[in-house]
Amino acid sequence: DAKTTQPNSMESNEEEPVHLPCNHSTISGTDYIHWYRQLPSQGPEYVIHGLTSNVNNRMASLAIAEDRKSSTLILHRATLRDAAVYYCIRGPVSSGSARQLTFGSGTQLTVLP
Amino acid sequence: DTGVSQNPRHKITKRGQNVTFRCDPISEHNRLYWYRQTLGQGPEFLTYFQNEAQLEKSRLLSDRFSAERPKGSFSTLEIQRTEQGDSAMYLCASSPQGREDQPQHFGDGTRLSIL
Repeated sequence: DAKTTQPNSMESNEEEPVHLPCNHSTISGTDYIHWYRQLPSQGPEYVIHGLTSNVNNRMASLAIAEDRKSSTLILHRATLRDAAVYYCIRGPVSSGSARQLTFGSGTQLTVLP
Repeated sequence: DTGVSQNPRHKITKRGQNVTFRCDPISEHNRLYWYRQTLGQGPEFLTYFQNEAQLEKSRLLSDRFSAERPKGSFSTLEIQRTEQGDSAMYLCASSPQGREDQPQHFGDGTRLSIL
């Protein structure tokens, strides 16, 4: 079971930080935590991933709880272009030789001007 | 890096017709994935290639679905005898060989509408 739990929707004001939570209480020790986002009419876009330590890149930061049962994607300063569905994914899940991503329904982020 | 390219972007066809979609991955990526996405849901994995070998196809939705990657570069996904329920966005992704946590790079998909 590669399930993660995310809120269906969140709102943020432009230029403010956004904290998107994700629960993955059944995560195994070797599962990475990946975040992708999907803008309207586009394919998913990789945002960030990590295993145990917090991670930063030019797009976002990923804070991983010490017990790894939850994580938070942090957008430091939301812009209107950050409005998207954000997917938190644990894995990748092995299916035969594949390492596919198992997407849930994600969190729809609305950024208010 | 020109990104993953998918063609056509939109396909409208009558029920019962066959359709074929094409995916051109990022040139140095040897791993290629197909996903399907219905409205309001996240993408659902269908099949996986490593170079020209289709290593996972058990998740293809029925025997009407087939995929190829004949020379280890571009890939095609074919749906035969299309049904109303096949209406969806079909996404292709690629990633380089290497560590298991390599990010997947997605195209913008082919949206299929069955009349």
